[in-house]
Amino acid sequence: KTQVEQSPQSLVVRQGENCVLQCNYSVTPDNHLRWFKQDTGKGLVSLTVLVDQKDKTSNGRYSATLDKDAKHSTLHITATLLDDTATYICVVGDRGSALGRLHFGAGTQLIVIP
Amino acid sequence: DMKVTQMPRYLIKRMGENVLLECGQDMSHETMYWYRQDPGLGLQLIYISYDVDSNSEGDIPKGYRVSRKKREHFSLILDSAKTNQTSVYFCASKGANTEVFFGKGTRLTVV
Repeated sequence: KTQVEQSPQSLVVRQGENCVLQCNYSVTPDNHLRWFKQDTGKGLVSLTVLVDQKDKTSNGRYSATLDKDAKHSTLHITATLLDDTATYICVVGDRGSALGRLHFGAGTQLIVIP
Repeated sequence: DMKVTQMPRYLIKRMGENVLLECGQDMSHETMYWYRQDPGLGLQLIYISYDVDSNSEGDIPKGYRVSRKKREHFSLILDSAKTNQTSVYFCASKGANTEVFFGKGTRLTVV
């Protein structure tokens, strides 16, 4: 059973527009949540990590929120660029220790058009 | 420069052949992982290694085995590859706290 659900599955936006990606999960315990960017044919690159019960982070044009009570996270991308075209993957870690497992969403495919 | 290196990046094998995927990291991390990524699915865990010769099955270990003889090197072996093992394989290593570093992946096609 999928424990990390991402929506939308795919999204097309025009360059300069903002977008919001959603992540809902049922992983327990939920130690932390990390958003990755995966360019086509490449590995996963970390964008941000959220750890607190209600957390917010900001990394340039990327900002994210986490609500552990709702088991929900959002990734906001402002003023999108063509280079933002990629798959964005939500990952929930059930522990911070080496014994912890990572639970992956299937990703949201973002396409930014001119 | 912290990195995880996977070799080869692309591989085509015939059904029944043996396959060796290699992964190295230069961060002296104890914990390393092998995942596979298929379209429409999240990454699935094949094996975890907690250190040299300390390996555990993940969620989909059938058809795979691993070897970790040095901390910096973690291999994934497919004995007698099957067509349903066509996938993109990712190696990762776990850093301090929540950090995890991924390689660029190996695209394996079994024909």
